[in-house]
Amino acid sequence: DSGVTQTPKHLITATGQRVTLRCSPRSGDLSVYWYQQSLDQGLQFLIQYYNGEERAKGNILERFSAQQFPDLHSELNLSSLELGDSALYFCASSQDSMTSGAFFGQGTRLTVV
Amino acid sequence: GEDVEQSLFLSVREGDSSVINCTYTDSSSTYLYWYKQEPGAGLQLLTYIFSNMDMKQDQRLTVLLNKKDKHLSLRIADTQTGDSAIYFCAENGDNFNKFCFGSGTKLNVKP
Repeated sequence: DSGVTQTPKHLITATGQRVTLRCSPRSGDLSVYWYQQSLDQGLQFLIQYYNGEERAKGNILERFSAQQFPDLHSELNLSSLELGDSALYFCASSQDSMTSGAFFGQGTRLTVV
Repeated sequence: GEDVEQSLFLSVREGDSSVINCTYTDSSSTYLYWYKQEPGAGLQLLTYIFSNMDMKQDQRLTVLLNKKDKHLSLRIADTQTGDSAIYFCAENGDNFNKFCFGSGTKLNVKP
């Protein structure tokens, strides 16, 4: 158990809908990252928050947004969903120390039908 | 920019050594990591190496870093069927807290 909790584990929704994925980081971790893993196994960095503020942005679509709350949990909002958004969405958290790397949650599998 | 590349597949026989290779482009990376993803699970940090080191050994795992060529490898000795998984190489990039991952190498261990 990495200590990072993601909910829900599975989500099936229709095209055009909006969903919210939730992440609770490890206790004490200030950084939260969101990644998208497509069927061809690649891991794409979406966005990073540090102590409530956006720190880095990757290839995140404009239809997607995220935020980190004062209690450090984070939410990833995906709207106007398309079939191609079906993927595994991972949240990871880390301390500032680079030696710890990032710890990953189990992921949310999103299926858009 | 940041780019991390890995070959997609590797197949070995149980008991043999596995070597998974990775190249990266960001010379400012201070830490490089290897993660393992088992089917249906999240990524698990296996090991990391600081960029001023050439080698790091941790039980069956050996990490080699050639900073000049920006080449990182993970050697798994005495590979077991339980080692079958996808292995990701990652760097911390030019952004202090941003992790850039390769596409992952799927290791298949045949009995």
